[in-house]
Amino acid sequence: DQQVKQNSPSLSVQEGRISILNCDYTNSMFDYFLWYKKYPAEGPTFLISISSIKDKNEDGRFTVFLNKSAKHLSLHIVPSQPGDSAVYFCAANSVGYTGTASKLTFGTGTRLQVTL
Amino acid sequence: DAGVIQSPRHEVTEMGQEVTLRCKPISGHDYLFWYRQTMMRGLELLIYFNNNVPIDDSGMPEDRFSAKMPNASFSTLKIQPSEPRDSAVYFCASSLGVGTEQFFGPGTRLTVL
Repeated sequence: DQQVKQNSPSLSVQEGRISILNCDYTNSMFDYFLWYKKYPAEGPTFLISISSIKDKNEDGRFTVFLNKSAKHLSLHIVPSQPGDSAVYFCAANSVGYTGTASKLTFGTGTRLQVTL
Repeated sequence: DAGVIQSPRHEVTEMGQEVTLRCKPISGHDYLFWYRQTMMRGLELLIYFNNNVPIDDSGMPEDRFSAKMPNASFSTLKIQPSEPRDSAVYFCASSLGVGTEQFFGPGTRLTVL
């Protein structure tokens, strides 16, 4: 059972345009979400995160939006650059009232290609 | 710090052979994770340790897989006997908390012929 889903395996965007990567989750206990970026032959690296008490978090060109009612989050990259071409993984976990986090659950990834 | 170190980077072996993957986490991190990446299932958590103790091994596919962490600076993932369907990239990651940012190693690409 895939609790974190990235339904688009690939996405192609022109340089300078906006890239929107989507992620859906099914577990209502998830309250903390992260995006990781992965280049070929390297391990994933942390990009940006958001807690469920927020609906938006911004870091430079990267913004993550969270819609709890729809159990949906998205990563926006504006403007897209060729160096953004990579695989992006969405991940989620639950911290809850105890403050003790559960393990991260990852999606299957979306390959972003930014073209010139 | 050098980050998470994994060895070997590539491993090609024949079906039935034993394979051992190695990981050195970032010094001071108390959580260590082993993941497997495949096209179909993305990043799957196989097992994770806290302070060298295995906490959750529910992702380990079957008895052919085993993992150990004899001390805070070293962990192994062993497959015995290996099968072609084990071919994947195996990542080790470490963190200061189970749900916080994890730092990944470069991965070991395993090919079982």
